[in-house]
Amino acid sequence: DTGVSQNPRHKITKRGQNVTFRCDPISEHNRLYWYRQTLGQGPEFLTYFQNEAQLEKSRLLSDRFSAERPKGSFSTLEIQRTEQGDSAMYLCASSLEGVYGNQPQHFGDGTRLSIL
Amino acid sequence: GQSLEQPSEVTAVEGAIVQINCTYQTSGFYGLSWYQQHDGGAPTFLSYNALDGLEETGRFSSFLSRSDSYGYLLLQELQMKDSASYFCAVYNTNAGKSTFGDGTTLTVKP
Repeated sequence: DTGVSQNPRHKITKRGQNVTFRCDPISEHNRLYWYRQTLGQGPEFLTYFQNEAQLEKSRLLSDRFSAERPKGSFSTLEIQRTEQGDSAMYLCASSLEGVYGNQPQHFGDGTRLSIL
Repeated sequence: GQSLEQPSEVTAVEGAIVQINCTYQTSGFYGLSWYQQHDGGAPTFLSYNALDGLEETGRFSSFLSRSDSYGYLLLQELQMKDSASYFCAVYNTNAGKSTFGDGTTLTVKP
């Protein structure tokens, strides 16, 4: 069990640029989640996948955000035309099947995005 | 919509017992999870309650009252390493979307 891996760890970019983050879940986990976290707040749900199917996307997400999990393994989160308010820690988590809340979500260390 | 309330900070001494409360408002309710997050670290799962009552896992226990829309995390025999942020998260369906509270920062003092 190598844990959930996220790359890059840090990303600094100028406003208006596009960024893409990658998440490699624990290999036997078929569920994958994306969250955003800012200082002093809890993780904010963005979207989740079961295998390659994206089952829900937060209404808080604008259409500048898109996520994919093409083969049901790794996932990417892309943010287009970044804005200052996108600066945050982006967390990925994965879990096994079962009752959702009861299946521990294993989080990666996150990608910290800073918009200049 | 959904909202959760937790105290922002709690302080206790080593060896003591501390309770972190979580009240929630949600259009439906399926279950409540608790996560721990150390500074600069990733959240880690602690417990889950779907039914009323107490779930015990070692030094940590979690309680739920569905009728009161209330839960708590109980930490016993506090250790310095328990200093962290603790988040409750509510599920309003058996699906992947959850809503996390803003967290409670626990400081354990010698």
